[in-house]
Amino acid sequence: DIVLTQSPDSLAVSLGERATINCQSSQSILNSPNNKNYLTWYQQKPGQPPKVLINWASTRESGVPDRFSGSGSGADFTLTISSLQAEDVAVYYCQQYYNIPWTFGQGTKVEIK
Amino acid sequence: QLHLQESGPGLVKPSETLSLTCTVSGDSFKKDTSYWGWIRQPPGKGLEWVGTIYSSGGTYSNPSLKSRVAMSVDTSKTQISLRLTSVTAADTAVYYCARHLAVTTSVVTWFDSWGQGILVTVSS
Repeated sequence: DIVLTQSPDSLAVSLGERATINCQSSQSILNSPNNKNYLTWYQQKPGQPPKVLINWASTRESGVPDRFSGSGSGADFTLTISSLQAEDVAVYYCQQYYNIPWTFGQGTKVEIK
Repeated sequence: QLHLQESGPGLVKPSETLSLTCTVSGDSFKKDTSYWGWIRQPPGKGLEWVGTIYSSGGTYSNPSLKSRVAMSVDTSKTQISLRLTSVTAADTAVYYCARHLAVTTSVVTWFDSWGQGILVTVSS
């Protein structure tokens, strides 16, 4: 199984400041034939199901604010919130779809400092 | 607009079988690339993929759950079902059904539409 390890487990950021979440895979999830990284980022607010933010490691889902961006390749990935807003308080998960079983990171909780 | 709604008992006794249904409304249920997943989340913890079924009835399940998982699809009712046998307290979780997006029949990716989830507690 591919293990995704997120860091940190939690972080507190001031409003308007940058938040950075890392997701490290136990193996490369880059598919060489199409040069795509098989990674998605989700946001989950309390009492709600997860919502897709980013696909293919760096493609923002329609309607997602542009302060959210994804980067990285191979086995190391980053989700960045460029200017944290109050509504961004949530838990963020990465998920790989390179291999079955599909697996998630353990989650990173983002709070306001 | 796709809508998914989980239903089933909220309390199951240890060693018994958890049975859930997800009713899907929208026009994508019968498409060749319609895949549907179950994901669970223990209270206060992270997400775990349970299984995925596609509209023709083929399934994938998480090896960590061994042979306890069974899934089915009822195209006429636009429903998918999950059965998890021999449950223990470790199976207590919010169970979500979600569309498991297939960009091709061989590339099944992320979960793009989710139900609200149903809390199932395993307790005597």
